Amino acid sequence: NAGVTQTPKFQVLKTGQSMTLQCAQDMNHEYMSWYRQDPGMGLRLIHYSVGAGITDQGEVPNGYNVSRSTTEDFPLRLLSAAPSQTSVYFCASSPRGQGGLMNTEAFFGQGTRLTVV
Amino acid sequence: EDQVTQSPEALRLQEGESSSLNCSYTVSGLRGLFWYRQDPGKGPEFLFTLYSAGEEKEKERLKATLTKKESFLHITAPKPEDSATYLCAVHRGGSYIPTFGRGTSLIVHP
Repeated sequence: NAGVTQTPKFQVLKTGQSMTLQCAQDMNHEYMSWYRQDPGMGLRLIHYSVGAGITDQGEVPNGYNVSRSTTEDFPLRLLSAAPSQTSVYFCASSPRGQGGLMNTEAFFGQGTRLTVV
Repeated sequence: EDQVTQSPEALRLQEGESSSLNCSYTVSGLRGLFWYRQDPGKGPEFLFTLYSAGEEKEKERLKATLTKKESFLHITAPKPEDSATYLCAVHRGGSYIPTFGRGTSLIVHP
């Protein structure tokens, strides 16, 4: 089925460890983005990309890196995990919307539940 | 600072009992307002984008409307499968960064 694939679904890290969350889409969407979802808060954008080779910071980028070498893949790297990064992470992709708007007709992955101990 | 407030936080309905969810927003130069549905343990599912005041969109039992200050998601004759958390988000002009509300948790009892 077409869509956004995130791996892993669950992960436990120790403080200071690094890891990469994988995200792939097969819809040839220009836009891709990473969000975190915490209890009692709205989704917050971490990083986004408007095309291969182009990335930019979102609302909460500290402690995370991204790259976009292909249209399909948009991995999120945690450089040195901290307990504050315990969260559910979602990757999304969307086509370029009206006026270049991101997130119109967006597809989200199933999420990665990350716990940092 | 952009703000999105969704109300109520939680809503319980009987099957067939129509109601509305509210999304109040403060944003400089609205570029688009989004509604999503999120089932437990899943990622959000896109429902609608509204671009300007007065615009309305419909999908099955759902109808979204937009004014200059708020958006409503009207649910007509809901069914138990409409149970989910409904999220609202806004984008302002010149920014790719959306502001999401905390969501409204809807439970529809059979």
